[in-house]
Amino acid sequence: SQQGEEDPQALSIQEGENATMNCSYKTSINNLQWYRQNSGRGLVHLILIRSNEREKHSGRLRVTLDTSKKSSSLLITASRAADTASYFCVHLDTGANNLFFGTGTRLTVIP
Amino acid sequence: EPEVTQTPSHQVTQMGQEVILRCVPISNHLYFYWYRQILGQKVEFLVSFYNNEISEKSEIFDDQFSVERPDGSNFTLKIRSTKLEDSAMYFCASSESRVSNQPQHFGDGTRLSIL
Repeated sequence: SQQGEEDPQALSIQEGENATMNCSYKTSINNLQWYRQNSGRGLVHLILIRSNEREKHSGRLRVTLDTSKKSSSLLITASRAADTASYFCVHLDTGANNLFFGTGTRLTVIP
Repeated sequence: EPEVTQTPSHQVTQMGQEVILRCVPISNHLYFYWYRQILGQKVEFLVSFYNNEISEKSEIFDDQFSVERPDGSNFTLKIRSTKLEDSAMYFCASSESRVSNQPQHFGDGTRLSIL
């Protein structure tokens, strides 16, 4: 399968704590993106990291990419109840123009 | 902020009937996509569309499926003869250019229920 896998499948933390989600993939990628999905809603793009980048920040989000290990991580700092959602690691294979979604991590932030 | 809109939000259809799902991509975007998510499963790519033709499609996108851009704003997905296993959330997405460096913007989806 070309699709990635997130770890853990579910994560429950207290508000204010940091949340770390990991992702692995199998193919050669052009970029890797993280999306979130609130229950019953569409997917919202969070951050994109290119294959030649190792780390990227956007507000409370920090993404790392290790192409030698074919893995990425998403760190959400100082979590809020509104961060409760499913988070998907999504990658674009080299030469492709469609996204391959992982299984997602269900994050619950307890107020 | 401009967004992708999908209608209807929920469609209930009898098995064997044709269904058309509609999407209005972001106006200056050139690439359009359909994905589906069966309940409890991963989001799966169906098809991408550029310059009035299909640019890529997955194995799921068989002869029962078709896409069209009937005018300058709408992008539709038609399922000719629906099956029970077509029940899923269908997401439309668009991007400004090829996805190599541009994110895709998703609509809120259409929940398709086949009876």
